[in-house]
Parts: sequence; C-alpha cells; structure tokens
Amino acid sequence: DARVTQTPRHKVTEMGQEVTMRCQPILGHNTVFWYRQTMMQGLELLAYFRNRAPLDDSGMPKDRFSAEMPDATLATLKIQPSEPRDSAVYFCASGESTDTQYFGPGTRLTVL
Amino acid sequence: QQQVKQSPQSLIVQKGGISIINCAYENTAFDYFPWYQQFPGKGPALLIAIRPDVSEKKEGRFTISFNKSAKQFSLHIMDSQPGDSATYFCAAIVGFQKLVFGTGTRLLVSP
Repeated sequence: DARVTQTPRHKVTEMGQEVTMRCQPILGHNTVFWYRQTMMQGLELLAYFRNRAPLDDSGMPKDRFSAEMPDATLATLKIQPSEPRDSAVYFCASGESTDTQYFGPGTRLTVL
Repeated sequence: QQQVKQSPQSLIVQKGGISIINCAYENTAFDYFPWYQQFPGKGPALLIAIRPDVSEKKEGRFTISFNKSAKQFSLHIMDSQPGDSATYFCAAIVGFQKLVFGTGTRLLVSP
C-alpha cells in the first residue's frame, strides 16, 4: 500500500530556530506539493514541483521558507528563522499529475 | 476568478439523513472537480471526482451533482453515518495547473 510519508509528525521549537520537514512521495509520482493548514486560512498551497523542478512557489513566504527536492524520493521544506505564526500542520502530497493528489499524514509544527 | 466558494462552513446531520455540501466557481475553464475527505489528525484523501461532461457521478452513498450552466457542484451523502463525520473540501482544476480548494465543510453526523 503506497503512501506519502512525512517526518517528523510533530515538532515543537522556539522562535528563531530552523525547522526542516521531510517528505517521501509515492514511488513513481512526479509531482509533489507542500500545503499548510490552519483553522484561520484553511488549506494553502505553498509550493509544488514536477520532475523535481519547482513550478510554483508563489504561496510561500520567500524570506524564510524554502522548498527543495534533492532527489526523486525526498522533498524538504525549511523555515529559517521560524516564527509563532508559522504554527500549523504542513502536508506533503504527491501525484502523477496535479489533479489527483495523495496526501501524507502531515507535520504538526508548534513555534513557541 | 480562481476561487471556489464552499458552503456551509459546518453541518450537523442525523444518522440516516442526507448531507449536502455546495460549491460554486467562476472560472469556466475548470475541467476537473474532486472532493476530498479529511478526518481529524489525517491528511485529506480523494473521495470522488467529476468532469464537466457529466451531470452526476455516484459512488456508493456519495454522489456529485454538477450544474455546468450555474457553475455549481455539490456533494450528497446519502444515509449519512457517524463514520462520515469529517471535513470535506471541494476543489477545481484546469489542465495541469494547481488545484484550487474550497474552504472546507465540517460535517458532524449525530448518532
């Protein structure tokens, strides 16, 4: 049963610290997405990649967020420095295209 | 024009009743309309989807009704069960662009 995996599942950190979230997409999927979910804003697309190349990162605060795909089996989302307003659940999703997306279990981030 | 408007924000339905969630869009270029279901502590999961060349699609107790002229689509859950209690998101997409999600509907099915 192929699934998107995300680590860590929970992260508590202090303001100003660097946070790295990792995602392993489903093998064979060439499109990877990063979303952020909060009660206030709902589900927001931060960035997405196709064949490891960034296609759209317009939803991501550029000054502190960065997303990369070092290889086809790993996507990373980094926040440096983190702020309390970054507290949210971060989801990675993958797919063979953009229409059908398979979401991971999420990383719940709390920035104190 | 890229927005998808979803209503209601929350919904309480008795067990056995029909749950109805509505979505409206402006962009007539959208050509795929999926619904995602999210349980607490989990990621959203694709539930059912429709393309605009059909007016209805049914999978088990879940039905999408699509009204192209009104630019609206809705999810109907027949014989709603407590296990259906979740947040439901409608979405829309055109071509290989990004999915546009609605704001979500929190459904509670009371026993």
